[in-house]
Amino acid sequence: DADVTQTPRNRITKTGKRIMLECSQTKGHDRMYWYRQDPGLGLRLIYYSFDVKDINKGEISDGYSVSRQAQAKFSLSLESAIPNQTALYFCATSDTSGDQETQYFGPGTRLLVL
Amino acid sequence: SQKIEQNSEALNIQEGKTATLTCNYTNYSPAYLQWYRQDPGRGPVFLLLIRENEKEKRKERLKVTFDTTLKQSLFHITASQPADSATYLCALSRGSSNTGKLIFGQGTTLQVKP
Repeated sequence: DADVTQTPRNRITKTGKRIMLECSQTKGHDRMYWYRQDPGLGLRLIYYSFDVKDINKGEISDGYSVSRQAQAKFSLSLESAIPNQTALYFCATSDTSGDQETQYFGPGTRLLVL
Repeated sequence: SQKIEQNSEALNIQEGKTATLTCNYTNYSPAYLQWYRQDPGRGPVFLLLIRENEKEKRKERLKVTFDTTLKQSLFHITASQPADSATYLCALSRGSSNTGKLIFGQGTTLQVKP
């Protein structure tokens, strides 16, 4: 979905390096999410943000941090990358209208930690 | 513990047949359930939502059922086509309010052969 963009699309890094994955959206949504996807494990929530001043940990936040720079931007950082953080990372957004939650995903960032 | 299960084995069917995918869950009382499609190397895309008080929902060749007693959703694609080949994810809302968080199953891969 071109409304949600992620950079970089692919990244190779070494153990111990700090890296940042960036997400931008033009959908005007308040809520943004970071997930990682591993084979056989599905999507797991790392962090989520309901607005610029609201940041929450997901189920697997250890080793990660986030920054919500603006409504449209939500960045994920790996402070000191380790090989088991090798995964496909997705950013997603959703709006707050109605009583349901439909999420819109970016194209993903494939991260390899050596 | 809370759990969502989708058939991890790939489903292979012949073009024109109906594909049926299963999503089972335990220890949840979701307000709604969603199905997403994911193509290789891309982010999931929303397909359908069904609420806890709905038994069935249709959209073109897609049909979803939701049995809260059995804690199961079935996702059907009628008159399947090779272009339907993808991984299909079910996702449940966390609880009965719009908490803004979804829990995803690990997905089932569908392969439609011409």
